[in-house]
Amino acid sequence: GESVGLHLPTLSVQEGDNSIINCAYSNSASDYFIWYKQESGKGPQFIIDIRSNMDKRQGQRVTVLLNKTVKHLSLQIAATQPGDSAVYFCAEKKPKATGNQFYFGTGTSLTVIP
Amino acid sequence: DAGVTQSPTHLIKTRGQQVTLRCSPKSGHDTVSWYQQALGQGPQFIFQYYEEEERQRGNFPDRFSGHQFPNYSSELNVNALLLGDSALYLCASSLGGTGGETQYFGPGTRLLVL
Repeated sequence: GESVGLHLPTLSVQEGDNSIINCAYSNSASDYFIWYKQESGKGPQFIIDIRSNMDKRQGQRVTVLLNKTVKHLSLQIAATQPGDSAVYFCAEKKPKATGNQFYFGTGTSLTVIP
Repeated sequence: DAGVTQSPTHLIKTRGQQVTLRCSPKSGHDTVSWYQQALGQGPQFIFQYYEEEERQRGNFPDRFSGHQFPNYSSELNVNALLLGDSALYLCASSLGGTGGETQYFGPGTRLLVL
C-alpha cells in the first residue's frame, strides 16, 4: 500500500543543537519529496524538496537526505532555534497518468527548549 | 508577490448544510489542489484542478466537489455536511506540467460542523 510514516511523533531538542526528523515511505514509484513546516493555526510552509535522482540536498540550515534503498527520508536542522518549533511533515509524490498526488505523513512535533 | 489566499478563515455549519470554500493561487500558478487536515493528522488529498478540470481525486465521496475558474482560482464545495467533515481545509497551488510540482499552501479554512 501507499503510506508515509514518521519514526518519532515528538522530538525535543536544546536550542543550538542539531535536529534530525525521520520519515519512512513505502512507495518505490515516488519520485519527488517535500518537507513542510506547519506552525499552529497556519498552513504548511515549504522547507526543502528533493527528487529521487538525488540523495542529498542542502538549504539554509536544513539538509534533506534520501535513502532509496531503505525508503527513508530525513530532515536535518542545524543550530535549532526556538522559531523552529512546529510540526514537520514529509510528503511524497507518486506520479500518475494525469497530474500529481502528494501523500503526507502524520507529522513530527519539534519542540526547541531555550 | 501574493501567496495562496483562502476564504473564509473560519466557518461554523450544522449537519446537513452545504459549504463553499474559496482559494486564490499564488501568482503565476495554474494548478490548485485541495486537502483536508483533521486535528493531529497530516493533510489528506481531496482533488486537484488544472485547466478548469478535475485532474485527479483522492478517496473522498461525491459530496466533495470543486471548480476552477479561468483566472485559476478555485472553490471547494461540500454537501450534506457531517460532523466528521470538521477539519482544516487547505488549498495548495503549483504550476501544471512537468518540473513544477512544488505545492505552496494557503493558511487554510477551519470548518466546524455542529
